[in-house]
Amino acid sequence: KNEVEQSPQNLTAQEGEFITINCSYSVGISALHWLQQHPGGGIVSLFMLSSGKKKHGRLIATINIQEKHSSLHITASHPRDSAVYICAVHMDSNYQLIWGAGTKLIIKP
Amino acid sequence: DAGVIQSPRHEVTEMGQEVTLRCKPISGHNSLFWYRQTMMRGLELLIYFNNNVPIDDSGMPEDRFSAKMPNASFSTLKIQPSEPRDSAVYFCASRRGTSGTDTQYFGPGTRLTVL
Repeated sequence: KNEVEQSPQNLTAQEGEFITINCSYSVGISALHWLQQHPGGGIVSLFMLSSGKKKHGRLIATINIQEKHSSLHITASHPRDSAVYICAVHMDSNYQLIWGAGTKLIIKP
Repeated sequence: DAGVIQSPRHEVTEMGQEVTLRCKPISGHNSLFWYRQTMMRGLELLIYFNNNVPIDDSGMPEDRFSAKMPNASFSTLKIQPSEPRDSAVYFCASRRGTSGTDTQYFGPGTRLTVL
């Protein structure tokens, strides 16, 4: 069993829909990251969370430490949101990031 | 700030040739990471430097791979000799501190194709 699991693996939606991507992990963590990788390949860090909720524009990330679960939400989705969204966790007292497999999101106009 | 800079962006080479990938981290960042991304294995950490010192190179696939960080503003990842299975996108990332809670900033990656 992978230590970090994302769902769904693939998601196709229409422009304007509310999007939710989930991340579950099985290890103790000090922080969780959400990253975005566009079709061109570049990786951008979206959020780093250790508790609660963060919002940036149309993106919202939440984390529940007790349940070992995080969600990334996109409101009013747009075709430019099409990308792979990756969840990665830092284990307690560890420099390494453990990566989820990513969720490929396609937003159709 | 220019962000993490990697060069070249694309490299095509023949099996057996030496390949050198370069990375310039963000100024002031103390930690530097080299990752490899393939369809089969996703993102894999190859090596991690802290204050120019290699801390963990257990992710380096084999002796054909080597990495150096001669100063705070430059790192190289070398593959010699290269093999087709080394074809991947190689990312460099840097981080200001050494805490796991600090954000890693990724470079644009180098897409390596070994024929």
